[in-house]
Amino acid sequence: KAGVTQTPRYLIKTRGQQVTLSCSPISGHRSVSWYQQTPGQGLQFLFEYFSETQRNKGNFPGRFSGRQFSNSRSEMNVSTLELGDSALYLCASSLVSGRANTGELFFGEGSRLTVL
Amino acid sequence: KNEVEQSPQNLTAQEGEFITINCSYSVGISALHWLQQHPGGGIVSLFMLSSGKKKHGRLIATINIQEKHSSLHITASHPRDSAVYICAAFPYNTDKLIFGTGTRLQVFP
Repeated sequence: KAGVTQTPRYLIKTRGQQVTLSCSPISGHRSVSWYQQTPGQGLQFLFEYFSETQRNKGNFPGRFSGRQFSNSRSEMNVSTLELGDSALYLCASSLVSGRANTGELFFGEGSRLTVL
Repeated sequence: KNEVEQSPQNLTAQEGEFITINCSYSVGISALHWLQQHPGGGIVSLFMLSSGKKKHGRLIATINIQEKHSSLHITASHPRDSAVYICAAFPYNTDKLIFGTGTRLQVFP
């Protein structure tokens, strides 16, 4: 069974640009959550999608957005990039949403974004 | 102050030693995950706990919900256990996972 796939794995952007990251969950999983990891702040929750609906959002500015498609694949977008957006962006998939998930979270390898 | 605290931040051990990593939290939670992150970034979910104790191979995780504390134990540690271990919790009434700062473990042969 294929794992969670994130693309691209690495990317470099400049300030002011925008970026779109993709996450394909494990087949059959309907929940996709996104996280930002930086050396200073550690791991932080960005948002979660379930059945094409955003269920939860973390404390990030409106420049961070996402969506989920009918095949459960999810994208996140960051507009007007700032230097501080440089981070590893991870997604995770699970069968059900949030606290109702009594099983594992399956993480992708992450997309490492560098903003110059 | 973080709502989820881990200790120690860094840990070195000799192969074969028994390892304990601690996680304490200041909010009521419904469940807690232990995660392992290797260099390069990939994260593996080790355990999800809402009560009691779970064991998988050489790994044991315990949680005491009333005392707001969880521990991850590694028996007979091995260099391949070298990684960052992160605890993460779902506070009551929210599905927003909150994370500890991680414990960096290095096991030397």
